[in-house]
Amino acid sequence: AQKITQTQPGMFVQEKEAVTLDCTYDTSDPSYGLFWYKQPSSGEMIFLIYQGSYDQQNATEGRYSLNFQKARKSANLVISASQLGDSAMYFCAMRLNSGGYQKVTFGTGTKLQVIP
Amino acid sequence: DAMVIQNPRYQVTQFGKPVTLSCSQTLNHNVMYWYQQKSSQAPKLLFHYYDKDFNNEADTPDNFQSRRPNTSFCFLDIRSPGLGDAAMYLCATSRDLAQWSYNEQFFGPGTRLTVL
Repeated sequence: AQKITQTQPGMFVQEKEAVTLDCTYDTSDPSYGLFWYKQPSSGEMIFLIYQGSYDQQNATEGRYSLNFQKARKSANLVISASQLGDSAMYFCAMRLNSGGYQKVTFGTGTKLQVIP
Repeated sequence: DAMVIQNPRYQVTQFGKPVTLSCSQTLNHNVMYWYQQKSSQAPKLLFHYYDKDFNNEADTPDNFQSRRPNTSFCFLDIRSPGLGDAAMYLCATSRDLAQWSYNEQFFGPGTRLTVL
């Protein structure tokens, strides 16, 4: 069965420090995509970063980078220089081909709180 | 700005009283999704439309239906809401379902449904 796991229900980080949010996944399909989304208390899911299974380099988007370790099946999100506005739920998600179409499965999320 | 819009943001209904949630998009994307997200849980895919083709998840209750009258609009109908259907309902779009595409999902702000 394909699944995605986030083992940290909650994290604290000091403002301006870096933080790593963990994500592991399990699939036997060689072709997949990994996403990270941010969900503030307002409820909207905001796309942060994407990593394809065949991508050679780790994805980066501004202060966000994805530490992709394919052999270990992990796709951790690193946020550098944390800001108060980074306080939110963070979801890791995996896209797989399922029954002829693509399906995205979300992890259970990590609640990040940035401390001034 | 191109976006995904959900109305209303908050919806209150009575037990057993049909309710419709709406979603519109200005992105001209082929695919529209409906997710249910209960408190402190991951979003759960209910169904999606690829153009006019409807794909229902196997475990989506019959109580949930969807309509997509045109590219821009998609509706979620809950025929007889129960207390367990209280949740955030998220609409999302993506450009297509192509296997090799980046295929990021863009989310609306969600509708929070309360069932009395």
